Amino acid sequence: GEDVEQSLFLSVREGDSSVINCTYTDSSSTYLYWYKQEPGAGLQLLTYIFSNMDMKQDQRLTVLLNKKDKHLSLRIADTQTGDSAIYFCAESVYGGSQGNLIFGKGTKLSVKP
Amino acid sequence: NAGVTQTPKFQVLKTGQSMTLQCAQDMNHEYMSWYRQDPGMGLRLIHYSVGAGITDQGEVPNGYNVSRSTTEDFPLRLLSAAPSQTSVYFCASRIQENTDTQYFGPGTRLTVL
Repeated sequence: GEDVEQSLFLSVREGDSSVINCTYTDSSSTYLYWYKQEPGAGLQLLTYIFSNMDMKQDQRLTVLLNKKDKHLSLRIADTQTGDSAIYFCAESVYGGSQGNLIFGKGTKLSVKP
Repeated sequence: NAGVTQTPKFQVLKTGQSMTLQCAQDMNHEYMSWYRQDPGMGLRLIHYSVGAGITDQGEVPNGYNVSRSTTEDFPLRLLSAAPSQTSVYFCASRIQENTDTQYFGPGTRLTVL
């Protein structure tokens, strides 16, 4: 079945770059997403990438996709304390009525001043 | 647009009680879904609906019922609450299955004693 794996924790210093990694198993994934969840809040869509792309950049965010290795990463440049949150990787699997999101368990990013 | 709204934000139940978690969206989205979020587990799909009158089970449907009588509303019912249903519940919607942006509600934090 589908599975999405992420490391659970990442700690960086303010101003550094953060790289959050994710691996997925389903090669038929159409879209891959990064969501951000701040404490006590819902999920906020940060960015997404279509499976036929290798890279997508959106301001401080860069998403890299390696389809061969089924590896997705999110790079946050110039990380700020406001970036401290849990980041979820998710894949959308094409086909039938199962266009649902499969989530990883989330990576907790801690940004130290 | 109000987006995806959920009520209540917090709820405490006793084992065996029943209740309905409300979810509504005003974006005319066909596709709606319910997830639960547990510590260290990420989000898991409970039920989903691809349109009014159509519902289907997700990964963890046991103990929950849903209905979709209108496009706007997708309530989640717990018929006999159990402590294992203590969780944070998120409702989400998108235009149709297999498209990019899924919008999440703010969540309902449920505790079953």
